[in-house]
Amino acid sequence: QKEVEQNSGPLSVPEGAIASLNCTYSDRGSQSFFWYRQYSGKSPELIMFIYSNGDKEDGRFTAQLNKASQYVSLLIRDSQPSDSATYLCAVNGNTDKLIFGTGTRLQVFP
Amino acid sequence: GAGVSQTPSNKVTEKGKYVELRCDPISGHTALYWYRQSLGQGPEFLIYFQGTGAADDSGLPNDRFFAVRPEGSVSTLKIQRTERGDSAVYLCASSLFGGENTEAFFGQGTRLTVV
Repeated sequence: QKEVEQNSGPLSVPEGAIASLNCTYSDRGSQSFFWYRQYSGKSPELIMFIYSNGDKEDGRFTAQLNKASQYVSLLIRDSQPSDSATYLCAVNGNTDKLIFGTGTRLQVFP
Repeated sequence: GAGVSQTPSNKVTEKGKYVELRCDPISGHTALYWYRQSLGQGPEFLIYFQGTGAADDSGLPNDRFFAVRPEGSVSTLKIQRTERGDSAVYLCASSLFGGENTEAFFGQGTRLTVV
């Protein structure tokens, strides 16, 4: 079992819709959770982080964390073509290193 | 500096040669991470420094790979006897303290091609 799992996609959504990206993790001791956006040929860019169970909203982005289910998600409201990218979930556990999933490719079509 | 800086941005080397990749973290950041990313994959953890010491080097694939951070700032990733399978983008990230609840920021990466 991989430490951090994501569906590779692509996830295709129409412009203006809500995109829902999901991630599960195996280390129950994980405490910090991050979402990075990576455009093709570029390095990952931090867009959200969440440390507590529940929802955290920042503009069009909402991160959701459920530690009991070992599940973290990212919702993007009013999706735009410029949101088309690969979204990487990263988890920081007891060992202090960030472990990444393989990423979900999001395509927003006009 | 304003962000994490990596040099060179591109490196082409012949199989069997030695290469050094440099990372200059955000000023004041004590934690520094090295990752390797192949096409279509997420970043693969290599090594994590807290200050001058390697807090976790469990991701280094074999003894051809070595990294140093002698003064707790700039880090160098060293690869000996390069192989074609070492071709990837090598990413460096830094965070203020490391550990839990600290966000890591990436440099633009070094694309290594071994021919």
